[in-house]
Amino acid sequence: GDSVTQMEGPVTLSEEAFLTINCTYTATGYPSLFWYVQYPGEGLQLLLKATKADDKGSNKGFEATYRKETTSFHLEKGSVQVSDSAVYFCAPRFYNQGGKLIFGQGTELSVKP
Amino acid sequence: GAGVSQSPSNKVTEKGKDVELRCDPISGHTALYWYRQSLGQGLEFLIYFQGNSAPDKSGLPSDRFSAERTGGSVSTLTIQRTQQEDSAVYLCASSVGGTANTGELFFGEGSRLTVL
Repeated sequence: GDSVTQMEGPVTLSEEAFLTINCTYTATGYPSLFWYVQYPGEGLQLLLKATKADDKGSNKGFEATYRKETTSFHLEKGSVQVSDSAVYFCAPRFYNQGGKLIFGQGTELSVKP
Repeated sequence: GAGVSQSPSNKVTEKGKDVELRCDPISGHTALYWYRQSLGQGLEFLIYFQGNSAPDKSGLPSDRFSAERTGGSVSTLTIQRTQQEDSAVYLCASSVGGTANTGELFFGEGSRLTVL
């Protein structure tokens, strides 16, 4: 069935380091792909999205490319900041399941100065 | 309102009591979702509404859990005879439904439930 697998955390990086959080999915169709972020003490908010193959979502220096051939949507940022410390969730939206998001288990990122 | 509103933000109850959690979605959003976030775990889908109908209830963990939506707007999640394992943050989200669906779900701040 449709599912998502996300890199486990926690991840600890120094400021200005490169970040990659892996996300892969299995699907019978072509889902829309989302990354959500949850900052400490705050609610979930959309970070970026991509709705079709080869689309690149970007926001706040983060990027993710919809790779149909590898069914992946890895999140990357070239230079992380302390303020990026949060939990990141990969979430495909499978339209044959009523459009609900299926969330990965979340990756906690901690950036040290 | 401007965003998804949930109440109460915090609820502490005794084991065996019933609780109701409320969600007020963004005006005009026809799709509404309930999720549960337990400590140290990801987000677990509970139920999805399109209008007042619930075509997908597959995530409700037991028959103690139920939800309804009235007027295509406010939704209530009810947990009967609460158990300690029900302790979690219950999140509500809404989105534009139908052919205008751009994909994004908008989340509320959540209702934190603690069962003693």
